[in-house]
Amino acid sequence: GENVEQHPSTLSVQEGDSAVIKCTYSDSASNYFPWYKQELGKGPQLIIDIRSNVGEKKDQRIAVTLNKTAKHFSLHITETQPEDSAVYFCAASTHLSNFGNEKLTFGTGTRLTIIP
Amino acid sequence: DAGVIQSPRHEVTEMGQEVTLRCKPISGHDYLFWYRQTMMRGLELLIYFNNNVPIDDSGMPEDRFSAKMPNASFSTLKIQPSEPRDSAVYFCASNNGRGGTGNTIYFGEGSWLTVV
Repeated sequence: GENVEQHPSTLSVQEGDSAVIKCTYSDSASNYFPWYKQELGKGPQLIIDIRSNVGEKKDQRIAVTLNKTAKHFSLHITETQPEDSAVYFCAASTHLSNFGNEKLTFGTGTRLTIIP
Repeated sequence: DAGVIQSPRHEVTEMGQEVTLRCKPISGHDYLFWYRQTMMRGLELLIYFNNNVPIDDSGMPEDRFSAKMPNASFSTLKIQPSEPRDSAVYFCASNNGRGGTGNTIYFGEGSWLTVV
């Protein structure tokens, strides 16, 4: 089955600086890579995702890059703000069915702390 | 939309007791997932349903765990008898599995279970 590794496990960044979280996956058939943000006491929430036919995707201060050859993908947060402090999870999956549903395998999470 | 609704939010029970966790998926979503989150193992998929039918229960730890989905708006995860190692946060999630933005999996707030 799929195995997703995530680094670092903790990350502290000065407010305004950038943060980068990296993940690797094992199954070359994986083609969907979402990133989730989990705040204390809440469930994970999707913040951005990327499919294998795209190398980079950006949404305001958040971007994700994908290198299919190396089987790794990264989350980039620029101009970090205190509200970015949370645990971030990467995930990978292949299609479950013709309808394109996803059976996600999650990384172990990165606790990001933004220092004011 | 109210989102995925889980109950109870917190439960403390004694070893050997039966525990029932409940979930109401987002209306119109035909996929429902149960995840477990622990510090040691991260986020693990336990079981998922499509149109109320269990599709893959390979993540269910053992026979003490069972899940049902009697209708499109309700699912339960039952642990009987409970053990201290079952202490975790249990998340229910849903999506409509229709590709595109339908791939987004929405998580509930979780049920925090402590077995003493």
